[in-house]
Amino acid sequence: DTGVSQDPRHKITKRGQNVTFRCDPISEHNRLYWYRQTLGQGPEFLTYFQNEAQLEKSRLLSDRFSAERPKGSFSTLEIQRTEQGDSAMYLCASSRDRGSANYGYTFGSGTRLTVV
Amino acid sequence: AQKVTQAQTEISVVEKEDVTLDCVYETRDTTYYLFWYKQPPSGELVFLIRRNSFDEQNEISGRYSWNFQKSTSSFNFTITASQVVDSAVYFCALSENDFGNEKLTFGTGTRLTIIP
Repeated sequence: DTGVSQDPRHKITKRGQNVTFRCDPISEHNRLYWYRQTLGQGPEFLTYFQNEAQLEKSRLLSDRFSAERPKGSFSTLEIQRTEQGDSAMYLCASSRDRGSANYGYTFGSGTRLTVV
Repeated sequence: AQKVTQAQTEISVVEKEDVTLDCVYETRDTTYYLFWYKQPPSGELVFLIRRNSFDEQNEISGRYSWNFQKSTSSFNFTITASQVVDSAVYFCALSENDFGNEKLTFGTGTRLTIIP
């Protein structure tokens, strides 16, 4: 169990550019979540995968955002035509099903995005 | 919809004092989970405790203790004999089963500063 890995840790991009983040969850966790955290706020839910299926997207996730989890393993979050309002910490978390033993969420260290 | 309120935005105490962080939640579900996470300056969310809605026993782990009261929808967190290393932002979170999506709803966090 090596934890949840996110790459890159930091990303600075110019407004209008596309960016892609990667998340590698804990291998036996079938659920994967993306959250966004802005300064002074708690993390907010963006989207959720159970295995390879994306089952829910928050209204926070505009059409410029897309997430994938091919083969139910790692996940990518892409933001197209970035805007300054996209600047935030993007957190990935993975978990087992609620009925499993040791149910809980493990978070990665996050990717801090700065749009200039 | 679920909601978590952490009314204390910032708390400062002198080292070795006890401190309690408040958390009040709202949910329509009878089955839910409550969590506390610690977020140090490095940014990673560190899991502290999980409590399910059927277990109202208070829990103690070293200097940490948690008081869960369903009657007042509160899940408060107490640090005894605080230390400088306890300085961080602490988040309370709620997980319901929203048609299979077990996403976390976070409070806005309490920034705790321990003064040496």
